[in-house]
Amino acid sequence: SSDLTQDPAVSVALGQTVTITCQGDTLRGNYASWYQQKPGQAPVLVIYGKDNRPSGIPDRFSGSRSGNTASLTISGAQAEDEADYYCHSRDNSGRHVYVFGAGTKVTVL
Amino acid sequence: QVQLQESGPGLVKPSQTLSLTCTVSGASIIIGGDYWSWIRQHPGKGLEWIGNIYYTGSADYNPSLKSRVSMSVDTSKGQFSLTVDSLTVADTAVYYCARLRPGSYYYYDVWGQGAAVTVSS
Repeated sequence: SSDLTQDPAVSVALGQTVTITCQGDTLRGNYASWYQQKPGQAPVLVIYGKDNRPSGIPDRFSGSRSGNTASLTISGAQAEDEADYYCHSRDNSGRHVYVFGAGTKVTVL
Repeated sequence: QVQLQESGPGLVKPSQTLSLTCTVSGASIIIGGDYWSWIRQHPGKGLEWIGNIYYTGSADYNPSLKSRVSMSVDTSKGQFSLTVDSLTVADTAVYYCARLRPGSYYYYDVWGQGAAVTVSS
């Protein structure tokens, strides 16, 4: 299966740590990438590969993978981190076919 | 700085064909081994991968949309395009173009601002 499963919503107190997970069989052989999307804006890449951050992404964002689960952790969440977060990966068919998770809404309290 | 810009009609009628174009600036469509992608987002919903195209014209599509979509590339203009046939109201969405970096990892590092498309009579 190429489906990626995410929790619909999580909340975190300001300055605390939150971890968002993404589950799917395809993650056993492919790394996930993670995107942050704020209302009315295009998605922004925050993590890719094992744990790589594009230039300009704060180091409070980190990624990991274990088995069929990829995780995005925000350590010391800030108010500006409130957004939808989507995981993404390549399908495990070997073709260039890709899939997104349904997204997790992160609320910073 | 690489930038992508979608263009196309904001309103189309059911059963008609949607054509969108993405113009790439600050980078070559040919150099780098990158793929060029279309992704859409229905109102209030998540992201849906539509397909990718390589500069050679080789394309892959979402199996759920494959019968109605096609992509093309014009390397001389630095553009790639999306066509969606037999439109229904369910195709109402914001359509994004993005650059897919392949290799050991796969990720979209540059996105267009999105083109809102409404399918309505």
